[in-house]
Amino acid sequence: DAMVIQNPRYQVTQFGKPVTLSCSQTLNHNVMYWYQQKSSQAPKLLFHYYDKDFNNEADTPDNFQSRRPNTSFCFLDIRSPGLGDAAMYLCATSALNGQGDSKNQPQHFGDGTRLSIL
Amino acid sequence: GNSVTQMEGPVTLSEEAFLTINCTYTATGYPSLFWYVQYPGEGLQLLLKATKADDKGSNKGFEATYRKETTSFHLEKGSVQVSDSAVYFCALRGSNYQLIWGAGTKLIIKP
Repeated sequence: DAMVIQNPRYQVTQFGKPVTLSCSQTLNHNVMYWYQQKSSQAPKLLFHYYDKDFNNEADTPDNFQSRRPNTSFCFLDIRSPGLGDAAMYLCATSALNGQGDSKNQPQHFGDGTRLSIL
Repeated sequence: GNSVTQMEGPVTLSEEAFLTINCTYTATGYPSLFWYVQYPGEGLQLLLKATKADDKGSNKGFEATYRKETTSFHLEKGSVQVSDSAVYFCALRGSNYQLIWGAGTKLIIKP
C-alpha cells in the first residue's frame, strides 16, 4: 500500500510557467521533506516541515516555495521554472521518536515526480 | 561536519556473485546509518538501517554492520540477482533532521 503518494508521476511545463507538485501521506508523520534529484545523484534537500514549522535550506532558490495545509498534504510550487529545474522531485516523511527528534527514524519516500521543462 | 563516502560505480557483477559496496562516514557523536535503494524511475526505498555501534541491519538478503571503530557501514549480499540492479545510497543522520547522503553507487547485475 502506497504510504507517500506523489502526483503526478510525470509533469511537463513550459519555461516560466508556474507548476505545483503534490505529496500526500497516510503515515501521520510529523516531518515532511522535499528533495530535488538529478540523474541518480544524491537527493538535495530543498526544505522540510516540522509539523507546521517551515525550514528552508540556505541554498534553495527563492523560485521554490512550499505549503503544508495539514498533516497529510504538502505542495511544492515552482514559480518560474527554468531549464535547470528539470529533475526528479521527491517527497519524504519521517516520524519522531520518544524524545521528539527524528535521529533514528528513517525517511519514507514517494515515487517522485519527474518534471520536464519545455 | 558530517559526511558519507561511497565507492564509485558502476559496479558490474554476474548473477550469484558476492556483493560489497563500501561506505565510510565522518560524524560527531553517534549517528544512525541507513542504506537506501533506488530502482530505475522510482523513488528511494529504505533497505536497512542501524542506529548504534555493532548493530547489523538486514533485509532482502542484504546486510550491513555499524562499525564505529572503522566508521564504516558496508553493504553486502551473498548472491546477487539481476533484480538487484539499482542505485544504492548510504546515508547518515546525526543529531538534527537532515540526512547526509553518499554519492550513490550504481549496481549492474548481468545474467
